[in-house]
Amino acid sequence: DAGITQSPRHKVTETGTPVTLRCHQTENHRYMYWYRQDPGHGLRLIHYSYGVKDTDKGEVSDGYSVSRSKTEDFLLTLESATSSQTSVYFCAISAGSGYTFGSGTRLTVV
Amino acid sequence: GDSVTQMEGPVTLSEEAFLTINCTYTATGYPSLFWYVQYPGEGLQLLLKATKADDKGSNKGFEATYRKETTSFHLEKGSVQVSDSAVYFCALMTGRGSTLGRLYFGRGTQLTVWP
Repeated sequence: DAGITQSPRHKVTETGTPVTLRCHQTENHRYMYWYRQDPGHGLRLIHYSYGVKDTDKGEVSDGYSVSRSKTEDFLLTLESATSSQTSVYFCAISAGSGYTFGSGTRLTVV
Repeated sequence: GDSVTQMEGPVTLSEEAFLTINCTYTATGYPSLFWYVQYPGEGLQLLLKATKADDKGSNKGFEATYRKETTSFHLEKGSVQVSDSAVYFCALMTGRGSTLGRLYFGRGTQLTVWP
């Protein structure tokens, strides 16, 4: 979608290293979300934000932190990557009547 | 808590066959209901939605009716095409307190359509 971009699209990292994924929106939406997608689990919410510096945990937040210093950027950090965090990560923005998703980041932790 | 249960896949159909993917939900209050579609290598796209009981969402030949009495939102299409091959996710959005605007997803159903 033209209004939301994720970077990088693909990343391979080693166990124990920190990793930061970026989500950038041009829509000026208040609500932003980070999900992970794994086979058999669908999409599970990691963290979400309801404004600058306002964030909260989702259902699978352990091992992740987030920051939102500007409306347009929502960063997801894996403090010390583990193999269980190998996944596809999606960012989404909420327009109130549904979400718009980014194209995803495929992260592999080796 | 709020949750969505959808039909396990994969579903394999021949072109022009009828499709049903079942979805039921558990929620307090009056959620909005959604179907999202994910094509290979892409993010999720909104397919259709319904915001209140008895509403019917429709798009690209797909339909789903919000049934409060059976807490269901089954996805249907009368004649599938090869291009419909994708993963389909049922989801609900609640609107209370700190969970305002959060989407809860089912596990997804892989659909493959053969020519």
